[in-house]
Amino acid sequence: GENVEQHPSTLSVQEGDSAVIKCTYSDSASNYFPWYKQELGKRPQLIIDIRSNVGEKKDQRIAVTLNKTAKHFSLHITETQPEDSAVYFCAASRGNTGFQKLVFGTGTRLLVSP
Amino acid sequence: EAQVTQNPRYLITVTGKKLTVTCSQNMNHEYMSWYRQDPGLGLRQIYYSMNVEVTDKGDVPEGYKVSRKEKRNFPLILESPSPNQTSLYFCASAKGGNLEAGGYTFGSGTRLTVV
Repeated sequence: GENVEQHPSTLSVQEGDSAVIKCTYSDSASNYFPWYKQELGKRPQLIIDIRSNVGEKKDQRIAVTLNKTAKHFSLHITETQPEDSAVYFCAASRGNTGFQKLVFGTGTRLLVSP
Repeated sequence: EAQVTQNPRYLITVTGKKLTVTCSQNMNHEYMSWYRQDPGLGLRQIYYSMNVEVTDKGDVPEGYKVSRKEKRNFPLILESPSPNQTSLYFCASAKGGNLEAGGYTFGSGTRLTVV
């Protein structure tokens, strides 16, 4: 089955710096790659996703890149702010809709210091 | 308000006493899923359902049961809970249909302690 590895497990940056979180996946048939943000004590929330037919997607300060050949994808956050502090999870799945077996990475705790 | 509702939010129980965690969504989503979250292990899928009466195992199904008799409800059943099932549980739902329909929406979570 699919296996998703995520690095780093913890990331500390200064406000205004960029942050990059990387994930690798094992199943070459995976075609859907979402990123979730989980603030302390709250539920995971989808922040951005990318499909396998796209190499990059951007939404304001957040971008995701996908390298299908190398089977890795990354989350890029620019101009970080203290409210970006949270745990971020990457995930991968296969299938026509992508929601059947969504496998998550182990998470990255991002701390943005003022 | 569109949401996924789980109950209870917190539960402490004893080993072997059957329990059910309820999950309901009001978005007419086809897909529903249960995850457990443990420190250092991320979110691991227990079971998922693609529609009424269609369910399948995720990565950690042992000790759990589910049912999908109605589209909006997807309860998680622990027939004989054990301490290793102490965890934070999330129910989630998704519209499905195509990859443009958006990802999973999660419920608020149920923190279960089995003593």
